[in-house]
Amino acid sequence: AQTVTQSQPEMSVQEAETVTLSCTYDTSESDYYLFWYKQPPSRQMILVIRQEAYKQQNATENRFSVNFQKAAKSFSLKISDSQLGDAAMYFCAFLYYNFGNEKLTFGTGTRLTIIP
Amino acid sequence: DTGVSQNPRHKITKRGQNVTFRCDPISEHNRLYWYRQTLGQGPEFLTYFQNEAQLEKSRLLSDRFSAERPKGSFSTLEIQRTEQGDSAMYLCASSPRRSNTEAFFGQGTRLTVV
Repeated sequence: AQTVTQSQPEMSVQEAETVTLSCTYDTSESDYYLFWYKQPPSRQMILVIRQEAYKQQNATENRFSVNFQKAAKSFSLKISDSQLGDAAMYFCAFLYYNFGNEKLTFGTGTRLTIIP
Repeated sequence: DTGVSQNPRHKITKRGQNVTFRCDPISEHNRLYWYRQTLGQGPEFLTYFQNEAQLEKSRLLSDRFSAERPKGSFSTLEIQRTEQGDSAMYLCASSPRRSNTEAFFGQGTRLTVV
């Protein structure tokens, strides 16, 4: 079974600064997918960024980038130029795709606060 | 189509009552998922449909829980004889073809069992 660990329950960052959220996972699979999801208060969860394990290049989406270390089973999210709208719960998630077995495994989340 | 829709948004019920939640996925998404999220935790997988077929169920889904997706469109999640431990946010998500693409989540149904 796969597990996802987010060791930072809460993080805060000054507006316009950079913050890194940590995530580690455990799996015996070699081909899988990793995601960061954002859940603003009282709003639905949305995908921030996705990484395929077979790709060595780290994914980037505008101000969001990841540091994917496959051997270390680490998948951190870096948010640059933090904005007030980035305040939310952030969940790291793992997916091993296999027909009939397509569930996401989530970490416990990191609550990010942006300080104006 | 503006996204995954879940109804009701909030439900308060007395212990022992039955409740039913509805999820309308994004049109043409053939995959539909139910997750449960308790306070301070990440979402936990409950069950998954591909079209109308229920392909996987979590051990969390006791025999008091049942989910359906008739005709591969909307889905319902029913909880019979609710218990206080069932209090949680129930999230629905849908995705097209392979789920290595984005899963689109609804806003959830918050269940409170008193």
